[in-house]
Amino acid sequence: NAGVTQTPKFRVLKTGQSMTLLCAQDMNHEYMYWYRQDPGMGLRLIHYSVGEGTTAKGEVPDGYNVSRLKKQNFLLGLESAAPSQTSVYFCASSYPGRLGNTEAFFGQGTRLTVV
Amino acid sequence: GQQLNQSPQSMFIQEGEDVSMNCTSSSIFNTWLWYKQDPGEGPVLLIALYKAGELTSNGRLTAQFGITRKDSFLNISASIPSDVGIYFCAGLSAGGTSYGKLTFGQGTILTVHP
Repeated sequence: NAGVTQTPKFRVLKTGQSMTLLCAQDMNHEYMYWYRQDPGMGLRLIHYSVGEGTTAKGEVPDGYNVSRLKKQNFLLGLESAAPSQTSVYFCASSYPGRLGNTEAFFGQGTRLTVV
Repeated sequence: GQQLNQSPQSMFIQEGEDVSMNCTSSSIFNTWLWYKQDPGEGPVLLIALYKAGELTSNGRLTAQFGITRKDSFLNISASIPSDVGIYFCAGLSAGGTSYGKLTFGQGTILTVHP
């Protein structure tokens, strides 16, 4: 099983450029998440989705947009990249089990540098 | 900002020692998860807790879901060098406008000296 796949794995952007990170999962999970990880900051939630066609803001949503047009895909967009968005981005997916229980599975990460 | 406070931020221990770390929250969660992250990898699930008061083990790891649903701890017994990594707690929001939101702690960096 592929699980959660993120593309690309590495990217360097110039300030002001735009890009889209793709997250794909093959586990038929309802929930999907985008996090960024910076040294000493842990994993901070950017946006998340509890189902196809739905999205919600996390803790640090500014400068990012997301879309969940298909259940298996969750896209994270940067409209105008800034150096402060240099980070490692992780996607995760999970299922709402019995009584709302869940276990989230992560992709391998995308290392983004904005110069 | 983040709702979860994880401590300690880092630990330096000798092989064979026991380790304890915990997370506290201002919000109620209906699921607590504990993850480990190795360098260059995504976090991997260690233990999942679904009920207040629940105590769950996975080999040398033991975790508990606090009775108030606002805290959890993870213990590692008889640490070994491969336990090195970053450990994260995560809480799944119980309902309301944050339904399905999964929030992480800041992480505990564990170093084990042989």
